[in-house]
Amino acid sequence: GQQVMQIPQYQHVQEGEDFTTYCNSSTTLSNIQWYKQRPGGHPVFLIQLVKSGEVKKQKRLTFQFGEAKKNSSLHITATQTTDVGTYFCAGGNSGYALNFGKGTSLLVTP
Amino acid sequence: NAGVTQTPKFRILKIGQSMTLQCTQDMNHNYMYWYRQDPGMGLKLIYYSVGAGITDKGEVPNGYNVSRSTTEDFPLRLELAAPSQTSVYFCASSVSGSSAGELFFGEGSRLTVL
Repeated sequence: GQQVMQIPQYQHVQEGEDFTTYCNSSTTLSNIQWYKQRPGGHPVFLIQLVKSGEVKKQKRLTFQFGEAKKNSSLHITATQTTDVGTYFCAGGNSGYALNFGKGTSLLVTP
Repeated sequence: NAGVTQTPKFRILKIGQSMTLQCTQDMNHNYMYWYRQDPGMGLKLIYYSVGAGITDKGEVPNGYNVSRSTTEDFPLRLELAAPSQTSVYFCASSVSGSSAGELFFGEGSRLTVL
């Protein structure tokens, strides 16, 4: 079945540094979604990408969907302590449910 | 707006006991899901439902059962609890299927089986 791999598993940065997490699917996706989960919290939707090569920005966050619709990335510019949490990608296909990657846990030290 | 509400937030079970995790949503979403989250393992789909009266298995359904008698409610039943079911359980809902938009998650239910 479809698998969604996410790297790195952990990332520790100094405040102000950039951060990137990568997501790769074993199959072509119809869409990809990104979620953020704060420590002790629940996943919260960030964005959905559906088009090949799509790039979307939310303030300091930049999301990309690969040309082949099998990979995606989330880049955070100039991290802040409020960015701490685990970032999950989730791939959608013709089925009903998303397949989540294992997530990248981001720690930001001031 | 309450969104997706899960109860209980925490529960400790003994091996072999049974319990039901409750989930209700007030957004009139057709699609509902149960995920479990183990440390470092992401979210794994247990069961999902595309509407009242319709349920289907996800990736890890063994040891669990669900029902969907109304649009609002999607309870998850654990029969004969085992230590391997120690996890955080998240209920979620969406307007449509995986390609149509975001999942709204409940706050989670942390279950420990001893």
